[in-house]
Order: sequence, then C-alpha cells, then structure tokens
Amino acid sequence: DIQMTQSPSSLSASVGDRVTITCRASQDISNFLAWFQQKPGKAPKSLIYAASSLQVGVPPKYRGSGSGTDFTLTISSLQPEDFATYYCQQYYSFPHSFGQGTKLEIK
Amino acid sequence: QVQLVESGGGVVQPGGSLRLSCAASGFTFSSYGMHWVRQTPGKGLEWVAFIQYDGSNKYYADSVKGRFTISRDNSKNTLSLQMNSLRSEDTAVYFCRRAVDYWGQGTLVTVSS
Repeated sequence: DIQMTQSPSSLSASVGDRVTITCRASQDISNFLAWFQQKPGKAPKSLIYAASSLQVGVPPKYRGSGSGTDFTLTISSLQPEDFATYYCQQYYSFPHSFGQGTKLEIK
Repeated sequence: QVQLVESGGGVVQPGGSLRLSCAASGFTFSSYGMHWVRQTPGKGLEWVAFIQYDGSNKYYADSVKGRFTISRDNSKNTLSLQMNSLRSEDTAVYFCRRAVDYWGQGTLVTVSS
C-alpha cells in the first residue's frame, strides 16, 4: 500500500501570507494526486486533481505542483475563509490513501 | 447542479448491520466511479470503498474488506454501502464522493452498545 505523509501537521499563518503544504508518497504515483479542504463540521471540498489542475470554481490562489513522490499545495494571499484542514490523497492505486491532514490556523 | 445526499446512518450495536445510501442528481450517474470515505470524529479521512461506473469492479480498504459491500443502481442514481459485523472502530461520518470532485454532506454511523 502507498503511504502519504503530509507536512507540517499544523501551521500558523496571518491573513495575507502565502503558505505551502507538502505531501510525500511512499512510491511513485505519477500525478494521481488530489487536494481537499475541510472546515469544521463540513464535508471536504475538492480543490485540485491531477496534482495541479484546479477543480471548477476554485480560485487560482490555490496552486498544486509536483509529480512522482513529492507534491505541494501553495495558498497565496490567505483570507479568513482559507483557514481549514487540508488533505492530500493519492488515486494511483488502491487503497486510495489520504495524508493525515494539515491544520492551517490563524496566527 | 451536482448533488450527493447520504442517508441511512444511525446508532447500531456491535456486530449489527446498517445500509447507507447516496442519492445522486445533477449529472449522469452511470458515467462516474463512486467512493465511500469516512472520518472518525476529530480524526482524518479514510478511504473505504470504490465502485466503477458500471459496477464491474469494486475495491475496499483492508479495514472493511469482507464486512462492507459497495453497490450501485444506475437506474435509480443510487450508491449504497452495506455494512455488516460492525465494530466500534467503524463509528464515523460516512461521505460518498464522485470520482475526485463532488462530496456529499455525510451521514453519521455510531456503533455502540
């Protein structure tokens, strides 16, 4: 099975900052990686698929990059609504494993 | 617009069974693979199961293999998850998801005596 490791587990930032979250796969997953945002008590929201493609309606302040084993999610110009928990997931092979999540908090 | 609405959650005793449903609308259901994903209260996301668009292939997490069965009825635009031999560690919010994009709002399953 493929293990997905996100870092950091938590992150404090200020409104207006740019932050980067990293996701590492235990083996090559090409670009079969998605990113999701989840706010407390809500269902996750899909942000990015195929490592770098934005889902419909997602603003370009969210940028995904990477391929193979190393991936990043960069969020620019943080706004209050961006503070949430972010998850990566590989869909290269079953089981489709998630990272453990990165909680982005307001500093 | 795409809508996924889960139902069927509730409280069940250990060893019991429950059937979750996910009603899909706003898209051609029969064209998409569908997933179940769960989240233990206060914890991360866990992928549970996947079914191909035509039901021909199904995949499961090891933690539920042999106990849970994913199925779909493309004539009724409905995805299901039959959960048997439930354990306390199956307590979670269960989400259905279309491919890698749209999610339902989730339904809570509590396994407790």
